[in-house]
Amino acid sequence: SSELTQDPAVSVALGQTVRITCQGDSLRNYFATWYQQKPGQAPVLVIYGETNRPSGISDRFSGSSSGNTASLTITGAQAGDEADYYCSCRGSSGHHLIFGGGTRLTVL
Amino acid sequence: QVQLVESGGGVVQPGGSLRLSCAASGFTFNSYAMHWVRQAPGKGLEWVSSISYDGSEEFYADSVKGRLTISRDTSTNTLSLQMNSLRPEDTALYFCARGPASTINPPQYYYYGMDVWGQGTTVAVS
Repeated sequence: SSELTQDPAVSVALGQTVRITCQGDSLRNYFATWYQQKPGQAPVLVIYGETNRPSGISDRFSGSSSGNTASLTITGAQAGDEADYYCSCRGSSGHHLIFGGGTRLTVL
Repeated sequence: QVQLVESGGGVVQPGGSLRLSCAASGFTFNSYAMHWVRQAPGKGLEWVSSISYDGSEEFYADSVKGRLTISRDTSTNTLSLQMNSLRPEDTALYFCARGPASTINPPQYYYYGMDVWGQGTTVAVS
C-alpha cells in the first residue's frame, strides 16, 4: 500500500534523546525524507535521502531505516524542537509522493 | 535570499475555479523542479502536484487529477496551479515548494525532498 504510519504524539524530556518512527511498505524500496513544522509556519526539510541533513540543520537530527521503518532521532532535545514532524517517501504508483500523518513532539 | 511567495487563494463555491500563483526569487527558477503541497485545517501534509524543471513533465495526486493543473512560466519565475471543479475537500492551505535541481530525474524527486517552502495561500471551498 502507499501509506506511511506515524505515532500521533511523542514526548521527550528536555536534553534527552527521542526517536520518531514512520512505517510503510514503500520504505522497503525508497528512502525517507523528514520535515519539521512549527505552529503557523511552513515545513522545514530536516533529513533527505534517509540520512542526509540539509545545510543549516543541526547535527542533533539524524535519520536511519530498517526494513519498513524509517526513524528520525533527535539528540539533546530542546524546547525549540517542539513541532510536528512528517516523514515522506515515494508512493508505489508512479512518481507520487506520500506523507505520513505526522507526529507531534512535546519537550517536557 | 531564496524565497517563494504564494497568492491567489480565497473563498469559492463548490464547482468553482481558482488560480494559485507562486512567485520565486533568489534562485534560478528554471533549474529546479517545483511542487504544490496542501494542508487541510488541523490535518497533515498532502502532496498535490509536481512539475519538472522545464515544465515537460507533470505529476498529480489521484485526488486532484483531471481537476488541477500545474504549470510554470520562466519569463516571470512563477509557478501556477489552476484549480477547477473545486470540492469542499480541497479546502486547505496550499504551499509551493522547491524540488531538486534539473540534473535529477523525476523518479528521484522524493529522495531530495522539498528544501524551500512558501508560507502558503488559503483556499476555502464552501
